[in-house]
Amino acid sequence: KQEVTQIPAALSVPEGENLVLNCSFTDSAIYNLQWFRQDPGKGLTSLLLIQSSQREQTSGRLNASLDKSSGRSTLYIAASQPGDSATYLCAVVSGAGSYQLTFGKGTKLSVIP
Amino acid sequence: EAGVTQFPSHSVIEKGQTVTLRCDPISGHDNLYWYRRVMGKEIKFLLHFVKESKQDESGMPNNRFLAERTGGTYSTLKVQPAELEDSGVYFCASSQVTSPNYGYTFGSGTRLTVV
Repeated sequence: KQEVTQIPAALSVPEGENLVLNCSFTDSAIYNLQWFRQDPGKGLTSLLLIQSSQREQTSGRLNASLDKSSGRSTLYIAASQPGDSATYLCAVVSGAGSYQLTFGKGTKLSVIP
Repeated sequence: EAGVTQFPSHSVIEKGQTVTLRCDPISGHDNLYWYRRVMGKEIKFLLHFVKESKQDESGMPNNRFLAERTGGTYSTLKVQPAELEDSGVYFCASSQVTSPNYGYTFGSGTRLTVV
């Protein structure tokens, strides 16, 4: 059974800092790993999707890496801004058929102006 | 294009009552998923529709939950009778293609509180 763990559960940083969020998963047989952002009272916004054959994906100030063999991913946020404050969720797709997402509990990020 | 729409956004009901949640996926999206997040836990998969057919309902917690997708368009998730442990946020997501690498669009969720 696939399990996803995110560390830390919460993180508070001053504006301008670079930061790293961590995600680990127990079963390396995945199709992809996805990072989402959730703002209070809002839905999930997809940030990055890394296919199992890829090592990393970049979008603006975000860079996500994937080490499938060790079951780890990191989300790097450069030059953090107060608008980055949100909960960041890591999820993997593994198993055939429904291609359901298995989520971690998330990391709540606060960027202090 | 319009996104995934869920309503109501909030619902407070008493234990034993019935509640129906609705999800309107993006037009043309054959795949529709329901997920749930209960307090302090991770978001968990409930079920997956392809058009009007249930592809996978392995995540449905028990037979008090009934999901339907009429004509392959919108979907409803009925909880009858509701219990306290059903409280949480129910998310719907849709995808155009049945492919793991295509991506999903999520709705804003319905926050259900059972008192």
